[in-house]
Amino acid sequence: DAKTTQPNSMESNEEEPVHLPCNHSTISGTDYIHWYRQLPSQGPEYVIHGLTSNVNNRMASLAIAEDRKSSTLILHRATLRDAAVYYCILKNFGNEKLTFGTGTRLTIIP
Amino acid sequence: GAGVSQSPSNKVTEKGKDVELRCDPISGHTALYWYRQRLGQGLEFLIYFQGNSAPDKSGLPSDRFSAERTGESVSTLTIQRTQQEDSAVYLCASSPGTGDGTEAFFGQGTRLTVV
Repeated sequence: DAKTTQPNSMESNEEEPVHLPCNHSTISGTDYIHWYRQLPSQGPEYVIHGLTSNVNNRMASLAIAEDRKSSTLILHRATLRDAAVYYCILKNFGNEKLTFGTGTRLTIIP
Repeated sequence: GAGVSQSPSNKVTEKGKDVELRCDPISGHTALYWYRQRLGQGLEFLIYFQGNSAPDKSGLPSDRFSAERTGESVSTLTIQRTQQEDSAVYLCASSPGTGDGTEAFFGQGTRLTVV
């Protein structure tokens, strides 16, 4: 399985934008980049995913580098509710296996 | 409900007993996943199903762990002769399984405590 590398933890001020980086230098052409987050005492929830182009949805934006070896999850205006562990995952097309790494623990400072 | 349902939500068992954990996926979802999460740790992949078949069982920790799925629906994870290190939250997820990067939906988990 292609691996991802994320910082263990990050802090951000409330109402500021947050940029969560992910490196995936061994990504293959058929790997999708997925982001999930896990709020305290809950199961993970889907945030966003992309293949090559940048993506936006109501929760976040995903910026994918041109060579696809890295990506950044952008929370445009962090709230206290965004405090969670954020996981960057590579999921290969046609293979449903979904493997989580250690993720980034995001702390929001009021 | 429309989400992934797991039962029981909490289970306390004595060391050495067998336990069965159940997962009801979202209707129509062909892919189903089991994960283990120990306190303060990340998600440990156990097994996933595509339909009723399990293409990847590599995450099952030992032969005390087994899982099955029937009717492309309900799945059960069985742990035989439970040990204290089996104490964890067991999470189930399902996805449409169309291969095009669709999202997985998680249940709230079963918290297993082995005493």
